[in-house]
Amino acid sequence: AQSVAQPEDQVNVAEGNPLTVKCTYSVSGNPYLFWYVQYPNRGLQFLLKYITGDNLVKGSYGFEAEFNKSQTSFHLKKPSALVSDSALYFCAVRDRGNTDKLIFGTGTRLQVFP
Amino acid sequence: EAGVAQSPRYKIIEKRQSVAFWCNPISGHATLYWYQQILGQGPKLLIQFQNNGVVDDSQLPKDRFSAERLKGVDSTLKIQPAKLEDSAVYLCASRQGQGSTDTQYFGPGTRLTVL
Repeated sequence: AQSVAQPEDQVNVAEGNPLTVKCTYSVSGNPYLFWYVQYPNRGLQFLLKYITGDNLVKGSYGFEAEFNKSQTSFHLKKPSALVSDSALYFCAVRDRGNTDKLIFGTGTRLQVFP
Repeated sequence: EAGVAQSPRYKIIEKRQSVAFWCNPISGHATLYWYQQILGQGPKLLIQFQNNGVVDDSQLPKDRFSAERLKGVDSTLKIQPAKLEDSAVYLCASRQGQGSTDTQYFGPGTRLTVL
């Protein structure tokens, strides 16, 4: 069965510092991986996805993610954090069964301090 | 381009009452999903439609939940009767085609509180 794990419930970082939000996955075959962000009282906003090709994927708002097949990881990164980046981040993998539903991790709350 | 619309945004009901949520996907998007997000968890799929047909409803508690997408556009999700454990955010998402790489876009969600 496909699954993703986000090992950190919360990540704290100072504004201007680089940030990393971790995600590992377990899938059969080639994974399709996604990152979404959720601001309070709002739905999920798409940040980026990895389908194939370059292991470094660039997305919205200056975020990027690195796909590492040997470590089965897809960590989200940003070189310089902003206070406005504070939100809940979800990693997801697309199901490879009969449907294409997304299977989400439990989320990581990012807190950026001024 | 308008996003996925959902209403209401918030709903408070007592247990055993019924409730309905509405979703209007992005124009032209053939695939529509309903996810349930319980506090502290990631969203979980309840049902997926392709046009007006059901693709997957294996996780939908069919004794109390129902959903329809009669004309292949708008969709409604109903709970009858509601239980305390149904308190959650109900998210609607849509995707344009059948391509496996297409992105799902989410609406703002409906936060349901069952007392």
